[in-house]
Amino acid sequence: EAQVTQNPRYLITVTGKKLTVTCSQNMNHEYMSWYRQDPGLGLRQIYYSMNVEVTDKGDVPEGYKVSRKEKRNFPLILESPSPNQTSLYFCASSRKGTGGNNSPLHFGNGTRLTVT
Amino acid sequence: KQEVTQIPAALSVPEGENLVLNCSFTDSAIYNLQWFRQDPGKGLTSLLLIQSSQREQTSGRLNASLDKSSGRSTLYIAASQPGDSATYLCASNYGGSQGNLIFGKGTKLSVKP
Repeated sequence: EAQVTQNPRYLITVTGKKLTVTCSQNMNHEYMSWYRQDPGLGLRQIYYSMNVEVTDKGDVPEGYKVSRKEKRNFPLILESPSPNQTSLYFCASSRKGTGGNNSPLHFGNGTRLTVT
Repeated sequence: KQEVTQIPAALSVPEGENLVLNCSFTDSAIYNLQWFRQDPGKGLTSLLLIQSSQREQTSGRLNASLDKSSGRSTLYIAASQPGDSATYLCASNYGGSQGNLIFGKGTKLSVKP
C-alpha cells in the first residue's frame, strides 16, 4: 500500500532533550516536506526537499533540522526542543513538487509532540 | 503577505444537501489552488488541484472552481453524505513546482444523517 509513515504518533519530552521524528515513503517520490499544524495558525511548512541531498527552509525552520540521505526517508530533528515546538507535525511527499495535476501531496498521519 | 481565508469555520448540514465551501486568497498571481480533506487523527488527503490556467476541476461529487480575478475558489459537494464529515482545507501555491503551499485554517463540515 502506498503510504507515508511517521513515527512516533505521540511523543512527550522535556525541554532540551534531542529528538527525531522519522518519515518514510514507499512511492519513490522526489519531493518531501514537513509541516506543523497549530490551532488558529493552520498548517505551516518547516522544511522541504526536492530530492536526495537537496533541502530548503520553509516558513518556520527555526529550531529544526532535516536530512535527505535517501530518497525514501526525511527525518525531522529537534536538537533542543522547547515548549513552543509543541504541535502536530505532518510529513508529506509527492512525485515531483507541488505543481502538477499528477503530483498530489500524500500526507502521513501525524506526530503529536508535547514539550514540557 | 499571502493569506488564505476560509469561511465559515464550521458548517452543519442535513444529509443530501448540496453545499459550497469558500476559499479566498489575497494574491491573484497564483500557480495553483488545492483542496484537501482532513479526518480526525489522520493526515490530509488531496481532493482536487486547479492550475492557474483552469477554471474548474471535478472528481465524483466534488467540483472545485477558481476565479483568480476575484481571489476566490469554491468547493461544491453534491448530495452530501455523513461520510463527507471532515475538515476541508484549501491551499494556494505561488511558487510553481517548488512552491510552498499557503493553507487556510479550514472549514469543519458535519453532515447529519
